[in-house]
Parts: sequence; C-alpha cells; structure tokens
Amino acid sequence: ETGVTQTPRHLVMGMTNKKSLKCEQHLGHNAMYWYKQSAKKPLELMFVYNFKEQTENNSVPSRFSPECPNSSHLFLHLHTLQPEDSALYLCASSHLRGNLNTEAFFGQGTRLTVV
Amino acid sequence: AQKVTQAQTEISVVEKEDVTLDCVYETRDTTYYLFWYKQPPSGELVFLIRRNSFDEQNEISGRYSWNFQKSTSSFNFTITASQVVDSAVYFCALSENSGYALNFGKGTSLLVTP
Repeated sequence: ETGVTQTPRHLVMGMTNKKSLKCEQHLGHNAMYWYKQSAKKPLELMFVYNFKEQTENNSVPSRFSPECPNSSHLFLHLHTLQPEDSALYLCASSHLRGNLNTEAFFGQGTRLTVV
Repeated sequence: AQKVTQAQTEISVVEKEDVTLDCVYETRDTTYYLFWYKQPPSGELVFLIRRNSFDEQNEISGRYSWNFQKSTSSFNFTITASQVVDSAVYFCALSENSGYALNFGKGTSLLVTP
C-alpha cells in the first residue's frame, strides 16, 4: 500500500483513441505530479499541481491534458497520441512546505502502449 | 544543467558483495532535501530515504546505509551483502526551495547475480 494509487496499470490504445489515466492519493499531500519515463531516458516531469492549481507545464504537447479536481485526485487525459508516447507514466504526490518537497511518494505507474 | 548526477549507469555485482551507488548534487539553496528511490522491474518508484540539508548524520537501515557529505555535495548509498532482490534501478533526487518538483538523477541500474 503506497498511498498513491494509479489506474489502469496497463493500457494499450490506438492513435485515434481517447483515454484517461487516474491517480489518487490518500496521504493528505498538497501537491501532485505526472512524470513520464521512457526507455533509456531519465524521468521527465510533465505537470505539477499545487493545491489543485497547475504550477508547471514542462512544454508538454496538447495531446496530454491534465485535470486536478481536488487535492486527492489527478487525471491525465490522452487523445490522438503517437507511438513515441508509449512509456511508463508515473503519478506522485508530495507535501510541499513553501516550494520545498519534504516527502514524495509515487504510484505504481501506468504502462502505456500506443499502437 | 543537471542538478543530480549519478555517474554510474550500470553496476553488476555478485551476491554478497558490497556496492556503493554514487550521487552528487548541485544547489545554491541552504535548505534542501535529498532522496533515494528504488525502481524494481515492476516499475513503481519505492521511497527509501529522505535527508534534509541540516542533518549530515549517516543513516543505516538493515543492509542499507547512506553517507551524506555537504563538503563534497554527495549523498552515496551503500548496500552491504547484496542480494538478488536488490536488482533494480536506483534514483537519487533533490528537492530545492527554488522549484516544486524533485530533480532526479538518471539512475543507476544495479544487477546482482547469484
């Protein structure tokens, strides 16, 4: 039980599909994140939400659309993806003291394959 | 610029050997946190340890130990008497006041063979 739960664990989608990834945290944290991890590449930060407000968007293509309805839930809506978007998508939550992460926990990830 | 450097890309050891994973960081903040995570083949990033910049005391947890040295900006991780189950990718990360998200190193892939 990590306290951060991601669904689904695996997802295969066509390039014309629309799907959503879901993340839920039960740790009382005030910030949530989406990271992308491609093969042989370092972790890439995609989006940051601090108290439900998006604070960072690291030049992510518009085919990825995040949504944070409350401090416990985070979604990543996907549409018209490309095969190069196939990766492990990791959600994380953390407790921010000011801008400082004092603890950060990750979900188990969604393994996405775009065909 | 890379704020966290893990110079070792891959390490292979035989079971029961000790192994040290290096982490060097760069920050101008006086208050910051350092983390180590383990990523087994299943993919989940497992939190191992957090240290704050004011606490240089080394820590030991079972076969794991961490050596934090501000003078060299290093936060190294040693596994004693390695086991096959230690095989994973290990990430070092830095949290600063100047940004929300963790800065991750590129990871060190550790393979422990029987």
